[in-house]
Amino acid sequence: DTEVTQTPKHLVMGMTNKKSLKCEQHMGHRAMYWYKQKAKKPPELMFVYSYEKLSINESVPSRFSPECPNSSLLNLHLHALQPEDSALYLCASQRGGAGTNEKLFFGSGTQLSVL
Amino acid sequence: AQKVTQAQTEISVVEKEDVTLDCVYETRDTTYYLFWYKQPPSGELVFLIRRNSFDEQNEISGRYSWNFQKSTSSFNFTITASQVVDSAVYFCALSEVGFQKLVFGTGTRLLVSP
Repeated sequence: DTEVTQTPKHLVMGMTNKKSLKCEQHMGHRAMYWYKQKAKKPPELMFVYSYEKLSINESVPSRFSPECPNSSLLNLHLHALQPEDSALYLCASQRGGAGTNEKLFFGSGTQLSVL
Repeated sequence: AQKVTQAQTEISVVEKEDVTLDCVYETRDTTYYLFWYKQPPSGELVFLIRRNSFDEQNEISGRYSWNFQKSTSSFNFTITASQVVDSAVYFCALSEVGFQKLVFGTGTRLLVSP
């Protein structure tokens, strides 16, 4: 299994909703990442977990809350989002811990629309 | 500071043409890694290559080849005999040793028409 699986693939939510994005990998990778990608832009790093501990938070607003319950699973909890948060949210994993400069394995993303 | 520049926003070619995607980078470190990723319309980024700063050998993988030149801080990507399936956005990226953050260029959209 060499996949990073993200669910849901599409999500539409209102500004008062609470929702969660889910990311799973079963490759035994020790680092997991959340990226945000706006249309026609490169991915922007949001959070990095290494060995299940948060190692980077790129000054992301608190309405985004990451969680890493175990080494295979990464969640992104969303609350009181703004329309400008509409984007493709990509999860990625990395075999070694973060900082090993190894390649990233990406999921196909969750396309989020905030109304 | 790290920076990656992909000056070509969009390139259109006809199938079977060769095409080169340019990537220029900036870093103060002597040890770093360069990457190319492909993002097809389906959304996921697909890893193509990783090169460390001490390995300036050019690499060929099938129709893909990469030219790394430290003297000009460039890591260009050539697709030979392009195919419609090569249509995607291609990102060049840089990471310094021990750093967790991958710095992406702005991407080049490649359109290959039949």
